[in-house]
Amino acid sequence: QLQLQESGPGLVKPSETLSLTCIVSGGSITSTYYYWGWIRQPPGKGLEWIGSMYYSGSAYYNPSLKSRVTISADTSKNQFSLRVNSVTAADTAVYYCARSAVAGTHQQTFDHWGQGTLVTVSS
Amino acid sequence: ETVLTQSPATLSLSPGERATLSCRASQSVSTYLAWYQQKPGQAPRLLIYDASSRATGIPARFSGSGSGTDFTLTISSLEPEDFAVYYCQQRSDWITFGQGSRLEIK
Repeated sequence: QLQLQESGPGLVKPSETLSLTCIVSGGSITSTYYYWGWIRQPPGKGLEWIGSMYYSGSAYYNPSLKSRVTISADTSKNQFSLRVNSVTAADTAVYYCARSAVAGTHQQTFDHWGQGTLVTVSS
Repeated sequence: ETVLTQSPATLSLSPGERATLSCRASQSVSTYLAWYQQKPGQAPRLLIYDASSRATGIPARFSGSGSGTDFTLTISSLEPEDFAVYYCQQRSDWITFGQGSRLEIK
């Protein structure tokens, strides 16, 4: 059974870099069938897609965040990571990692999610 | 960017009633639309993909319809566990989500 688990600091200072890791179990991030992505949700608000990556290293990002975001994979540990630079209070959110299909049914539709982790940006 | 607008913001119904939630896209997304359910403190759960296909394990009381710019999620007879927030998501033009519709117990 596929499971995703986010990990990382719950508090980040303004202007610093937010770094999170998603540990995947019960499946391989090197599968050719799936993208691995990040979605966030500010407290009490809706969902925002951040970006998705393929195990080979190619990634695509929400245009509104592209200049500050990097998603990368560590295939040896079966995990992938998110970095958001120059954070502000507006980046405070629950961050989810999730899987979506590359093609066919469930293409770019998130069928497995982590439980989410709250990251607060504050000094 | 394709904007998804969901209505109503809040729907108050009783168990056993029929729920109809709407999602309108600012431009055509064909049938590249999904629906998710989110309960407090939980991650979203995929219900419907490609506008009308139920995801694995989703009860038959959930159905989706629509194409182009207008989509509907219908819950035929509400169960107590169906009261939650529902989001639509399109994948035609990057990936965007609607702002959500809250389904609450009347």
